[in-house]
Order: sequence, then structure tokens, then C-alpha cells
Amino acid sequence: KNEVEQSPQNLTAQEGEFITINCSYSVGISALHWLQQHPGGGIVSLFMLSSGKKKHGRLIATINIQEKHSSLHITASHPRDSAVYICAVRGETSGSRLTFGEGTQLTVNP
Amino acid sequence: GAGVSQSPSNKVTEKGKDVELRCDPISGHTALYWYRQSLGQGLEFLIYFQGNSAPDKSGLPSDRFSAERTGGSVSTLTIQRTQQEDSAVYLCASSLAEWIGGGLNYEQYFGPGTRLTVT
Repeated sequence: KNEVEQSPQNLTAQEGEFITINCSYSVGISALHWLQQHPGGGIVSLFMLSSGKKKHGRLIATINIQEKHSSLHITASHPRDSAVYICAVRGETSGSRLTFGEGTQLTVNP
Repeated sequence: GAGVSQSPSNKVTEKGKDVELRCDPISGHTALYWYRQSLGQGLEFLIYFQGNSAPDKSGLPSDRFSAERTGGSVSTLTIQRTQQEDSAVYLCASSLAEWIGGGLNYEQYFGPGTRLTVT
């Protein structure tokens, strides 16, 4: 079992829909990252959080440390949101290394 | 300002040859990371530098892999005697430390990657 599990693996939505991607992890963490990987391969860090909730534009990330679970929400989705979304955690005892989920492929159709 | 840059963007090499991949981090970023993404697989940590030292090199898959960083800036990842299973996209990221959750954490900025193909 992977230390970081994401669901769903693939998600197709219509433009305007509210989207949720989930991430569960099995180790104690100091921080959790959400990353976005565009079709060309470039990776952008969306959020880094260790508690509560963060919002940036149409993106919202939440984390529940007790339940070892995080969600990434996209409101009013748009075709340009189509990408792979990756959850990664920094373990409490793993120093600076990140452990990554497999990613969620999101496709938003117009 | 300039982001993380990597070179070359693509590299095709024959099995058994050595390759060097270069990463130029964002100026002033003390932390530097190398990752690998094999086809159809997730990202995999390789090595982490703080300054010129590598406190965590636990992700290097074999002794054919090595990395160095000079002047607290540019880093080179070297793969000796390349094998076909080394084919992947090699990504570099850099960061400044940030206090979060009572400890130091690092917002990472990724480079575009080097796509390595071993034939």
C-alpha cells in the first residue's frame, strides 16, 4: 500500500462543475503539497499546508491532520484546469524528502 | 525573476554511456532537489541538497547515480553506464525554507525537466 493514495485516478468534468480530488496518507506529516502538472510536463506548486484550509482563486485545499486526509477543490472548473494533480507529503521523520501520490488526471470539457 | 532551469531539455543516449544533467536553481534558494518521473509512474525523490551538502541521498536508485552541487547554486546529476530503465524525466526543484506548522517547510519551484531516453 502506498503511503500516499489519491482518488480518483481519472476525472472528467464539464466546464463549470465543482471538482474534488482526495488524498489520504498513512504517515505523520509536517506538510502536504498539492502540485499541478500540465500536459507539457511542467510542474507548479499550488499549495503547501499543514493545517486548516488555503484558498487561491478558484482553488481551495483543506487538510484534516487527525484523519490524515486532504482535499483539493476547484470551483467553476474550466478546460484550462485540465492537468494532472499530485498530492505529496513531507513525513515527520523523512527530513526534506517528499513522497508523492500517483496523481489524478483531470479533464474538463467545454 | 528567472525560474529553475534545466539542461538539456532532451537527451538521447546509448545504453552504457554516461550522462550529465544540469540544474540551475532560483538565485538565493539554498535547497535543491532532484526527482525522477518514469513513464506512467509517479514522481520519485532522488536527492536533496542544502547548500553544497546532500543530507539526504536515500532516493538514488543505484551507485551509478551521483550528484553534486557547487557554490550553493548549480547542480549536476550524473548517471554512469546508463540502462534502459533509467529512461525518465528528471526534474529539479529549489526552495527557500519557510516556517510552517512549527517547523521548517519548503515551497518548491520546479524546473521544466530533462527527458532522458536510453536506447
